[in-house]
Formats: sequence, structure tokens, C-alpha cells
Amino acid sequence: DIQMTQSPSSLSASVGDRVTITCRASQGISNYLAWYQQKPGKVPKLVIYAASTLQSGVPSRFSGSGSGTDFTLTISSLQPEDVATYYCQKYNSVPLTFGGGTKVEIK
Amino acid sequence: EVQLLESGGGLVQPGGSLRLSCAASGFTFRHYAMSWVRQAPGKGLEWVSIISVSGGDTYYADSVKGRFTISRDNSKNTLYLQMNSLRAEDTAVYYCAKVWVPAGYDAFDIWGQGTMVTVSS
Repeated sequence: DIQMTQSPSSLSASVGDRVTITCRASQGISNYLAWYQQKPGKVPKLVIYAASTLQSGVPSRFSGSGSGTDFTLTISSLQPEDVATYYCQKYNSVPLTFGGGTKVEIK
Repeated sequence: EVQLLESGGGLVQPGGSLRLSCAASGFTFRHYAMSWVRQAPGKGLEWVSIISVSGGDTYYADSVKGRFTISRDNSKNTLYLQMNSLRAEDTAVYYCAKVWVPAGYDAFDIWGQGTMVTVSS
């Protein structure tokens, strides 16, 4: 099975900083990758699908890139409401594995 | 409004069984594959199972294969997860989730609020 590895597992940044989260697949998955945001005590929310397509209603400061095995989620200017844990997920084939998550906090 | 509402969680002894339900509304349920995802307390998301639009194709994580069964009733707009031979490590919040594209397997655009399953003696 393909493994999904996220890094870092946590980060702390200042409001307005550019934040980048990485997700690596152990084998190529083309662009079949999604990113989810889970705020504390809340349900996961789809942020990006097809590696780089922003889900409707998600602020444009979020962006995704990558293909094959290496992917990134970028928040161009971190806002207090972005405090959350972010997960990547592959969906090219089953199992639809999630990464371990990256917890984003405000410094 | 598109909505998923899980029910059926609770406390069960190791080796016991539980059936979760997920009632869907606000979209044409029979057009979308559906999935279960769980999250153990303080841990990350773990994909559990997915079912095709007709129910004819089902897939499972290795951790639940042979013990859990996913099914759906398109006439009732309801997704199910039958969980047997439950173990302590199955303790988690169980979310049902809708695949965002019709008919295929893809990202999950709608999630339920989750139902807590606790396996303990």
C-alpha cells in the first residue's frame, strides 16, 4: 500500500507568515490528492482536491501544488482562523490513505 | 442543505457488535459513493471503508477487513457500517463522508458530525 507522509507534524508561525506543508507519497499518485482542514473540535473540511484545485468557498490564500509523489499546501498569509490540523489524502486507489497531519498554530 | 447525520455509536464491550447509520439529505444520495472515516481520541484521520453508488463494490482498510461491513439503502438515503468483533483500538469518532464527484471515488466534500464508538469492558 502507498504511504502518505506529512511534514512537519506541527509548526508555529506568526500572523501574516507564509506557511508550507509537505505531503509525500511512497509511490506516484498523479494528482489524486486532497487536503483537509480540521479545526479544534470540528469536522474535517475539504480545502483542495486534485492537488491544486481550491474547493468552493475556501479563501484564496490557500493553494496546493505537486504531482506524482511530492505535494505542498501553502497558506500565503496565515490568519488566526487558520489554526487547525491539516491532512493530505490520496484517492487514486484504495486504500484512501490520509497523512499523519500537520498542526498549525499561531506564534 | 446538504447534510449527513450519523447515529448508532455508544459503549460496547470488546468482542461486541454495533451498527452505525448515516442519514443523508439535500443531495441525490444514490448518485454518490460514500465512505466511513474514523478518528481515535487525539489522533489523526483513518480511512475505514468506501461503497460504490450501487453498493456492489466495497473496500476496506486492512485494520477492519473481515470485521466491518459497509452497506447502503438508496431507497432510504442511508449508509451503514456493521462493526463486529470490536476491539479497544476501534475506539474512535466515526464520520460518514460523501465523495464529491458523482459515481466515482474521489475526495470527500461533505462530512457528518461523527458518532463516538467506545470499546471497553
